[in-house]
Amino acid sequence: AQTVTQSQPEMSVQEAETVTLSCTYDTSESNYYLFWYKQPPSRQMILVIRQEAYKQQNATENRFSVNFQKAAKSFSLKISDSQLGDTAMYFCAFMKHPTGTASKLTFGTGTRLQVTL
Amino acid sequence: KAGVTQTPRYLIKTRGQQVTLSCSPISGHRSVSWYQQTPGQGLQFLFEYFSETQRNKGNFPGRFSGRQFSNSRSEMNVSTLELGDSALYLCASSLALTGGSGELFFGEGSRLTVL
Repeated sequence: AQTVTQSQPEMSVQEAETVTLSCTYDTSESNYYLFWYKQPPSRQMILVIRQEAYKQQNATENRFSVNFQKAAKSFSLKISDSQLGDTAMYFCAFMKHPTGTASKLTFGTGTRLQVTL
Repeated sequence: KAGVTQTPRYLIKTRGQQVTLSCSPISGHRSVSWYQQTPGQGLQFLFEYFSETQRNKGNFPGRFSGRQFSNSRSEMNVSTLELGDSALYLCASSLALTGGSGELFFGEGSRLTVL
């Protein structure tokens, strides 16, 4: 079974600053995906960024980037130039590589990020 | 393209009743999965349906059940409601292609309160 751990329940960052959210995971799988999902106060979960485990290059999506350390089983999210709209719960999630038999996500407990003026 | 639609958005039930929640996936998505979100337990996987077949199930009692129709719409049912079933129930759909992106698209959820 997979586990995902987010050790920072809450974080705060000032607008325009950079913040890093931590995530570690445990799995015996060799091929898998990692995700960061964002859940704003309106509740709809949206994908921020994804990383395929077999790719060594860290994923980036505009102001969002990850630091993926496969050996350490670490997957942190860096948000640059933070904006008020980044205020949300952030969930780290794991999925075994889709094989057509399952697409189940295992989530961490989340980090509540508050962006302040 | 319409997103994932869940109905109802809010509902209040009393202990012992049953409830049915509905989810319409994004057009073309054949996989629908359900998650329960609570402050204490976080996000927990309930089950996944693909082409009308349940192909994965989480660790929930038999009171929780679901089904998927030929148009990929899905329903989940909770019978004999307990106070602890109060939660936000999230539905997610995906293309579920072998080797695909794995991205799940979530609905806004159904907030169930059990009194």
